[in-house]
Amino acid sequence: QQPVQSPQAVILREGEDAVINCSSSKALYSVHWYRQKHGEAPVFLMILLKGGEQKGHEKISASFNEKKQQSSLYLTASQLSYSGTYFCGTGHNFNKFYFGSGTKLNVKP
Amino acid sequence: DTGVSQNPRHKITKRGQNVTFRCDPISEHNRLYWYRQTLGQGPEFLTYFQNEAQLEKSRLLSDRFSAERPKGSFSTLEIQRTEQGDSAMYLCASSFRQGQETQYFGPGTRLLVL
Repeated sequence: QQPVQSPQAVILREGEDAVINCSSSKALYSVHWYRQKHGEAPVFLMILLKGGEQKGHEKISASFNEKKQQSSLYLTASQLSYSGTYFCGTGHNFNKFYFGSGTKLNVKP
Repeated sequence: DTGVSQNPRHKITKRGQNVTFRCDPISEHNRLYWYRQTLGQGPEFLTYFQNEAQLEKSRLLSDRFSAERPKGSFSTLEIQRTEQGDSAMYLCASSFRQGQETQYFGPGTRLLVL
């Protein structure tokens, strides 16, 4: 039931782009994306609901393919502040929520 | 600060002792979640409340774990007879009302069982 994230780790130079993928073996009601920095709590980035929508937040956007049960997070023109571990969380009903194991992103100058 | 708060932030205990953590959600949020996170892993769902009702409990939550939300506001998570494997970050999150709403996380309580 835990979603699968790929890649597990990414190293970028400032200004480069990255894509993080999240897939589930079960039907999805929603996908949430969070970023967590070392020693801190996860911070909400965006939520995508059923309907295959795409959302954007500054230079971070995401898509949700309901049929393929997949979501992708797009980071464009990465900044040093983007470094951290990105988690997707998948909602399958109103009571349970599962997080992936995370993608560690390291943006270097 | 009107975010989710958790206390204590850190707890060191000896194996076999009982510990209790507290979570104060954002005031208008009626849903409250507990998660456990170990190093290098994503948060693992433990249990979930809607108001004072505990609606879901993970199989990860053994009989030594109990959670309450007596008046639908703050929540407590108690671990009895702690084991070294209980060492982890315990995260609380809250969300509002219905649907797959955004969960806002507290800073967590880091537990170390010696």
